[in-house]
Amino acid sequence: AQKITQTQPGMFVQEKEAVTLDCTYDTSDPSYGLFWYKQPSSGEMIFLIYQGSYDQQNATEGRYSLNFQKARKSANLVISASQLGDSAMYFCAMIGGKLIFGQGTELSVKP
Amino acid sequence: KAGVTQTPRYLIKTRGQQVTLSCSPISGHRSVSWYQQTPGQGLQFLFEYFSETQRNKGNFPGRFSGRQFSNSRSEMNVSTLELGDSALFLCASSWGGKGGYQDTQYFGPGTRLTVL
Repeated sequence: AQKITQTQPGMFVQEKEAVTLDCTYDTSDPSYGLFWYKQPSSGEMIFLIYQGSYDQQNATEGRYSLNFQKARKSANLVISASQLGDSAMYFCAMIGGKLIFGQGTELSVKP
Repeated sequence: KAGVTQTPRYLIKTRGQQVTLSCSPISGHRSVSWYQQTPGQGLQFLFEYFSETQRNKGNFPGRFSGRQFSNSRSEMNVSTLELGDSALFLCASSWGGKGGYQDTQYFGPGTRLTVL
């Protein structure tokens, strides 16, 4: 069975600093996709970044980058230069027919 | 391009009633998935529809059902509402074609259901 684990229920970061949100996954399928979503208090899930299991390079999207370590089955999200608007819940997810989500990490950015 | 839209945004119902939620996907997307989000259980997959057929199903009782129309719009129905059904219901759309592990799902704003 596929599983996503996020071990950080909450994190604080100072504005303009970088932060890493942890995500580990488990699957026996060689083909899989890993996603990160942001959920502000309004509730909408916002797609941030995608990493495919066969991608050789780490994915990047603006201030977001995904530190993909396949052998360790980890897909950590790195947010550079944090902004106050980054305060939200962050979910790591894996797709294998359906999206399976971790429990989320609540990120708070301090001014 | 317009994003995923969900209606209504908020609903208040009483136990025993039924409710229908609607989701309009991004233009060109043929797959619509539904998720339930609660503080206790997190995000749970309900079902996925592709080309008017249910392609995947989660572990929810038969009170939860859905359908998809020829224009890819989808509806989700919950019959005989229970207090525990109070949740944020999210719908997501994607292309839905082959290579499913590369298929990014884009979410709507959600429908917040309160059962009294």
